Amino acid sequence: AQSVAQPEDQVNVAEGNPLTVKCTYSVSGNPYLFWYVQYPNRGLQFLLKYITGDNLVKGSYGFEAEFNKSQTSFHLKKPSALVSDSALYFCAVRDAGNTGKLIFGQGTTLQVKP
Amino acid sequence: DSGVTQTPKHLITATGQRVTLRCSPRSGDLSVYWYQQSLDQGLQFLIQYYNGEERAKGNILERFSAQQFPDLHSELNLSSLELGDSALYFCASSGGRTSGSYNEQFFGPGTRLTVL
Repeated sequence: AQSVAQPEDQVNVAEGNPLTVKCTYSVSGNPYLFWYVQYPNRGLQFLLKYITGDNLVKGSYGFEAEFNKSQTSFHLKKPSALVSDSALYFCAVRDAGNTGKLIFGQGTTLQVKP
Repeated sequence: DSGVTQTPKHLITATGQRVTLRCSPRSGDLSVYWYQQSLDQGLQFLIQYYNGEERAKGNILERFSAQQFPDLHSELNLSSLELGDSALYFCASSGGRTSGSYNEQFFGPGTRLTVL
């Protein structure tokens, strides 16, 4: 069965520093991976996805993610964090089969301090 | 704004009652997904519809049902409500020519259900 894990409940980083939010996955077949962000009292917003191709995926708001097949990881990164990046981040994998069902990790709270 | 709308935003009801949550997908999107977000279960997939037909089912209780109408809007019906059904319910939509598209999903703002 497909699954994702986000090993950190919370990540703290100072504004201007690089940030990494970790995600590992377990799939049968090719992985189709997504990152979403959720601000308080809001729905999830799509950041980026990996389907195939270049291992470094660029997304919205300056975020990028690195796909690593050997380590089964898909870490979210940003070179310089902003206070406004503080939110809840979800990694997700598309389920196997002919549906678009997403399986989400438990989420990581990112706290960026001034 | 994702283009996905959900009503109502908040719903407070009592145990044993029945409620209906409504979702309008982005214009042109054929797939609609329902997810439940709770503190203990996290974000869980409930059900997917594609162009009016059910295409995938997750951990959806038998007390819950959904449908997608010809105009592509969807409704999630929750009956015999229990305290544990209190959660945030999200609808999402995606485009693509098949139900298994790799397109990203766009989420609505959610309906917060409180069962007292």
